[in-house]
Amino acid sequence: NAGVMQNPRHLVRRRGQEARLRCSPMKGHSHVYWYRQLPEEGLKFMVYLQKENIIDESGMPKERFSAEFPKEGPSILRIQQVVRGDSAAYFCASSPPGQVNGYTFGSGTRLTVV
Amino acid sequence: SQQGEEDPQALSIQEGENATMNCSYKTSINNLQWYRQNSGRGLVHLILIRSNEREKHSGRLRVTLDTSKKSSSLLITASRAADTASYFCATNSGNTPLVFGKGTRLSVIA
Repeated sequence: NAGVMQNPRHLVRRRGQEARLRCSPMKGHSHVYWYRQLPEEGLKFMVYLQKENIIDESGMPKERFSAEFPKEGPSILRIQQVVRGDSAAYFCASSPPGQVNGYTFGSGTRLTVV
Repeated sequence: SQQGEEDPQALSIQEGENATMNCSYKTSINNLQWYRQNSGRGLVHLILIRSNEREKHSGRLRVTLDTSKKSSSLLITASRAADTASYFCATNSGNTPLVFGKGTRLSVIA
């Protein structure tokens, strides 16, 4: 069981480019969560998805950010027209239904906007 | 919004000492969880305590929960240098996603 896989580990984008972050949940986990972490800060919730459904996107900025979790393939967090303030670590977590035993986190994608 | 607030923000102790971190939260919860994050890595789930539990142990970890005060503590006994990390509490209310605090940075000096 490979755990939650995120790629890339590091991503550098110029201002105005698009960033695509991928997350493959643990086998058997149907719930995916995306969090953002700024340096020396805790994790801020962004979006919660199940297969083909966005359940809660209350933490997503209204513009430029989108997320999907298709029937086949990984979950994708997409940031269009990146700005310097988007530089952060983006973590994906997964859980089975019910969240009984907590989340399993990936190692994160560190996005740097130059 | 930030639900859990850990204190202290930073803690430095000698190897072998006990480390205590506290977490306060604002709304009613189903359970409270503690996670650990090594520098530059993802979070690792340590322990979960349900709202009807008062204390839970796992190895050198002891967690308490006081729902009347909306607070929890994480005690690490006989600390080791390898315990150096950031520790976060996170609360779960119903089917909403976990809400994390800002964390306590623990340094254990050998």
